[in-house]
Amino acid sequence: AQTVTQSQPEMSVQEAETVTLSCTYDTSENNYYLFWYKQPPSRQMILVIRQEAYKQQNATENRFSVNFQKAAKSFSLKISDSQLGDTAMYFCAFMKPNTGNQFYFGTGTSLTVIP
Amino acid sequence: AAGVIQSPRHLIKEKRETATLKCYPIPRHDTVYWYQQGPGQDPQFLISFYEKMQSDKGSIPDRFSAQQFSDYHSELNMSSLELGDSALYFCASTPRGDTQYFGPGTRLTVL
Repeated sequence: AQTVTQSQPEMSVQEAETVTLSCTYDTSENNYYLFWYKQPPSRQMILVIRQEAYKQQNATENRFSVNFQKAAKSFSLKISDSQLGDTAMYFCAFMKPNTGNQFYFGTGTSLTVIP
Repeated sequence: AAGVIQSPRHLIKEKRETATLKCYPIPRHDTVYWYQQGPGQDPQFLISFYEKMQSDKGSIPDRFSAQQFSDYHSELNMSSLELGDSALYFCASTPRGDTQYFGPGTRLTVL
């Protein structure tokens, strides 16, 4: 079974600063996908960013970028220029394609952006 | 852009009652997933369907059943409800093998 670990239950960052959320995973697969989802107080699950394991280039979406280290099985999320609207629970997720494609989620990191 | 639709958004039931949750995927998405998220927990995979056939099964209790219909919408049927079934139930849809897009969830409260 795949496991996803988020070792930081809670984090805080000053507005406009940069913060990095950690995620590690355990798998014997070579082909898979990794995701970061954001869950604000509304509880809606919102896709932040995704990474295909076969791509060496780190994914970037505006202020959000990842540091994907395949050998180390690490997938951290960097949020630059943090905004108050970034306050949310962040979940790291692993998906192995073509086997039902279910997601394995980490336990989440609660991020608070301080004005 | 169209999103995943879930109904109802909130549901209150008594113990031992039955509940039906509905999910309407994004158009042209052929795969639907159901997740259960308890308070303060990460989402747990329940079951998924691809082209109206069950494709994978997770930690879904035997009291629950689900199906996907010809129009690709899906229903999660929950019987003999227990207090522990109180949770947020997410449906997600995807073109097969791609990013899952989540609906807003149905908040089920069992009294």
